[in-house]
Amino acid sequence: QVRLVQSGTEVKKPGASMKVSCKASGYTFTSHSISWVRQAPGQGLEWVGWISTHNGNTNYAQKFQGRVTVSTDPSTTTAYLELRSLTSDDTAVYYCAKNSGQWDFDSWGEGTLVSVSS
Amino acid sequence: SYELTQPPSVSVSPGQTATIPCSGAKLGDKFVSWYQHNTGQSPVLVISQDNKRPSGIPERFSGSNSGNTATLTISETQALDEADYYCQTWDGNYYVFGSGTRVTVL
Repeated sequence: QVRLVQSGTEVKKPGASMKVSCKASGYTFTSHSISWVRQAPGQGLEWVGWISTHNGNTNYAQKFQGRVTVSTDPSTTTAYLELRSLTSDDTAVYYCAKNSGQWDFDSWGEGTLVSVSS
Repeated sequence: SYELTQPPSVSVSPGQTATIPCSGAKLGDKFVSWYQHNTGQSPVLVISQDNKRPSGIPERFSGSNSGNTATLTISETQALDEADYYCQTWDGNYYVFGSGTRVTVL
């Protein structure tokens, strides 16, 4: 079955960077894109960015452009989310999700809590 | 940027029908998906591309989309359906989520 296993909780200082991993299994990794979605405390779901696991193309939400990088390592079927210049507003649970096709996300990782505090 | 609007909360009695609207400009021209999200768990896709139920999703979940409003309908609502529900679309450039609706089964 499809599994997306994410790395563990991160605690960061303001101005630092985070890098969360998402190891995929149970399907052909290069056949489905991977997206990253976050949920801040008390807030809704927010799409962060997307990567084509086929050719490495990326697309990021406008509010994150310039400080976000999504990447993959096909040899280990792992996707990564890097977010730089962190502020307390970046405190959230970050989810990776498998794109079912172009339209939505049919499998999700368990989430990674990233806490940003001085 | 494209926006999707949902009511913050919907209440329903057990066995009754819950209707959750999601509005956006010309939303009927786009595909809408719906997710169920329980606190501390990962979101679950319950409706894809307006009205398709993924494998394992009960038949009591259905969806529609026309004009400026998409709707998730939960028939014969059960206590285990109590959760947050989010609509989501692709606006041609970015993925967009609605603000979310808390469904309470009273």
